[in-house]
Amino acid sequence: DTAVSQTPKYLVTQMGNDKSIKCEQNLGHDTMYWYKQDSKKFLKIMFSYNNKELIINETVPNRFSPKSPDKAHLNLHINSLELGDSAVYFCASSQDLAGGWSPLHFGNGTRLTVT
Amino acid sequence: KQEVTQIPAALSVPEGENLVLNCSFTDSAIYNLQWFRQDPGKGLTSLLLIQSSQREQTSGRLNASLDKSSGRSTLYIAASQPGDSATYLCAVGRQGAQKLVFGQGTRLTINP
Repeated sequence: DTAVSQTPKYLVTQMGNDKSIKCEQNLGHDTMYWYKQDSKKFLKIMFSYNNKELIINETVPNRFSPKSPDKAHLNLHINSLELGDSAVYFCASSQDLAGGWSPLHFGNGTRLTVT
Repeated sequence: KQEVTQIPAALSVPEGENLVLNCSFTDSAIYNLQWFRQDPGKGLTSLLLIQSSQREQTSGRLNASLDKSSGRSTLYIAASQPGDSATYLCAVGRQGAQKLVFGQGTRLTINP
C-alpha cells in the first residue's frame, strides 16, 4: 500500500508545453505539499494545502498552479514549461501543518526534464 | 531567514562504526526538527522528529539530539550497516510558519 503516490515518475517534455503531475495520499492526512528539489539537491517548499485550502504559496511563478479536488489529492499543473523548471518534484502529506507535531510523508518524486 | 547547513556533504565509513551527522540552523525559534533519509530515485523517509521542547529522540540504532540555543542537531547512527547508505537530510519547522526548511543533506556510504 503506497502511502503517497505521484505520477508520472518521469516526465520529459519540450519548452513551452503544459504538463501535470498527480499526487494522491491514502493516509487520511489533512495537509499536502509540493516540494521542488533542484540539481544541487536543495529541497524547497512550493505549496501547501490544508483541507483543500491553499496555505502556502512560496514565491512560485504563476505558471505553476496547484489543484486540490479533495484532501487526498493535490495535483500540480505547469504552463509554458521552461528549461529552469527541470527538477524533481515531490509531493508530501502530514497530519497537521508542517512545523507541527507530525512528520512528513513523501512520494517517490517526479523527475521533470525540459528540453 | 532560516538557513540549515549540513556538514560534511559526504561521508564514507567502514561497516560497524558508530557515526554522527551534523545539522546547524541559524534561527533558534524552531517548532521542531526532523531527520529524513533519501535513497537514490526515491522520496524522503522520516526517521525522527524532535519537538522544540525535547532534547533527543531514539529509534532503534538512531538517536537524534537537539540543542536549540546553539542551533545544532546531531544524528547518531550506531553499528552502521551497508543498508544505512543513503542521503540524510535535516529540516526545521519554524514557529509560526507552516513549512520546513531543509539542509542540503549528507551523503553517507557504509563500506562492507
